[in-house]
Amino acid sequence: GAVVSQHPSWVICKSGTSVKIECRSLDFQATTMFWYRQFPKQSLMLMATSNEGSKATYEQGVEKDKFLINHASLTLSTLTVTSAHPEDSSFYICSPGLAGTSQYFGPGTRLTVT
Amino acid sequence: GENVEQHPSTLSVQEGDSAVIKCTYSDSASNYFPWYKQELGKRPQLIIDIRSNVGEKKDQRIAVTLNKTAKHFSLHITETQPEDSAVYFCAASMKGRGGYQKVTFGTGTKLQVIP
Repeated sequence: GAVVSQHPSWVICKSGTSVKIECRSLDFQATTMFWYRQFPKQSLMLMATSNEGSKATYEQGVEKDKFLINHASLTLSTLTVTSAHPEDSSFYICSPGLAGTSQYFGPGTRLTVT
Repeated sequence: GENVEQHPSTLSVQEGDSAVIKCTYSDSASNYFPWYKQELGKRPQLIIDIRSNVGEKKDQRIAVTLNKTAKHFSLHITETQPEDSAVYFCAASMKGRGGYQKVTFGTGTKLQVIP
């Protein structure tokens, strides 16, 4: 299966600061990366789809100026939460958009904004 | 877009009994239905999947059924064990642009297996 890593695995930041989350595909190249957010005791919700070399596509209700996505290479996609607030505290998970039907997930990043 | 509903939200069973989780989807274009198990603080793990051209699939104690006409699919776990305790998500998936699979998740079922 596809190996996906995320860094950091957990982060605590102060309100108003920005946090960058990295998602790397270790043994394959990912043209597309999905970014999900999961609040406690809730399901995974797709936030945006990043495409290598082009602008990300955001789901309805997700602020593109707050959640900056960059997919500069086929092995790295980043999500930056800008001016973080406590309501942004969540579990952020990336997943490569692969041509096959199985889907793999990164280990996730737990963000806590104080 | 696709909408996936999942029931029940919580399920408690005695060890050794069976557990059934049901889902419905709305978009007939969905053609792939994976099920995930997520333990607390961990990523979802694929446990079984079924394609739209198949009605039933079994893997040891886990089975999944699909009714395309009714847009229903279900997960069946037999002879449950305490280590089956987790949150289970159903999902409906369809091909997006570029050939990748875009996944919509159900709301999740917290399964508790009581020893």
